Order: sequence, then C-alpha cells, then structure tokens
Amino acid sequence: GIQVEQSPPDLILQEGANSTLRCNFSDSVNNLQWFHQNPWGQLINLFYIPSGTKQNGRLSATTVATERYSLLYISSSQTTDSGVYFCAVEGTGGTSYGKLTFGQGTILTVHP
Amino acid sequence: SAVISQKPSRDICQRGTSLTIQCQVDSQVTMMFWYRQQPGQSLTLIATANQGSEATYESGFVIDKFPISRPNLTFSTLTVSNMSPEDSSIYLCSVEGEREYNEQFFGPGTRLTVL
Repeated sequence: GIQVEQSPPDLILQEGANSTLRCNFSDSVNNLQWFHQNPWGQLINLFYIPSGTKQNGRLSATTVATERYSLLYISSSQTTDSGVYFCAVEGTGGTSYGKLTFGQGTILTVHP
Repeated sequence: SAVISQKPSRDICQRGTSLTIQCQVDSQVTMMFWYRQQPGQSLTLIATANQGSEATYESGFVIDKFPISRPNLTFSTLTVSNMSPEDSSIYLCSVEGEREYNEQFFGPGTRLTVL
C-alpha cells in the first residue's frame, strides 16, 4: 500500500515563529488532507489539497503531486497551534477508494 | 460539513467484555469509516461501512473482533469484542463531505481504556 512519511516528528517553537511541515508519499494520490489533532483528540480539517496551493489565515499548504510531497506552512505561530499535525492520503488504486492512509504525524509545541 | 457525534465519548471497561460505539451523522452519507488510534500512534483504518452491505475490513482487523452495523444512511456502530488492554485506543468514525471528492470529516472520537 501507499506509504506516508512526515517530518519532522517533533517541533518546538517560540510563539511568533514560522514553521514548515513536510509530507512525502510513495505513489499517486486522489486525495490529500492535512489535519490538526487538538489535545482533546478531535481531528480538525485544515486543508483538502491533492494538488496546488491553498491559504487559510496564518496557514497555507502546497502539494506538488508530480513530486509526491506536500508542505504545510504555519506563520506567526500561537500556543493554540500546539498539537499533532497529520497528513493523510488516498491512493489511486481501485481498492483504495475512500481509504485514508495517515502519516505518523508531527508533534508541534509552541511556547509563549 | 456534516455534524458527527459519537457515543460514548469515553469509557473504562474490564477485559473480556464488549463495548459498542455509536456514530451519528446529521445528513445522509454513503460511506462511513472507522479508525483506531492507539496511544501515541497515528490513525489506522479498521473498516469501511456502506449501508445495505457488509463492512469491508482492512488487513489485521476481523469481523468477529470488530463487528460493524450500518442500518441506515446516518448511523453506524462499531463493537469492540472480548476486549484486552491492547484495545485501549481512541476510536473515530468519519464520513465523506459533500463538497470535495472523498474529503473526510471525523467525529470527536471515543476514548476507550481496558483494564
């Protein structure tokens, strides 16, 4: 099946700093999503981005499908950005429909 | 996006018992998905549940351990049977949104501890 690797595994920032999280995947994808899991376990949808670039406030994401990677940018980080960031993909094979494969996540800690 | 609720939100159970987790959506959806997140780990798909057909299980998950029901287009249950401490996890259901191809949205999760 498709493999998803996220880097870095851990990231510690001071409030106000910028950061870039990376997601590499091993095969073509129909779907790529970025999620933020808050301390209570809730998964928050950040971006649906199988290709191209999107921005939402201080967050933006870029997926280069031909090179099989996606980047999540967080600018002017805040303590509320702390949590785990997951990248998840759906492969293009017929048996992959609807099945999201998650990376191992990046644990982000933002200190005041 | 759809509003998804899960019951219970958390539970502590004794080994050897079973727990049924409910997932309710406020709109009709074709596909519902069940995931497991073990402590400190990522999410793993357990099965896909379509209304009117048997659930499709991923490698490593079997129906006897994780029976799933999907009686209608807004509801599904996942049962964790004959539990052991290794079943302690967060269990999440997800559904496809209406706007983008297979964009998935997740319920709040059920945090299960097995003693």
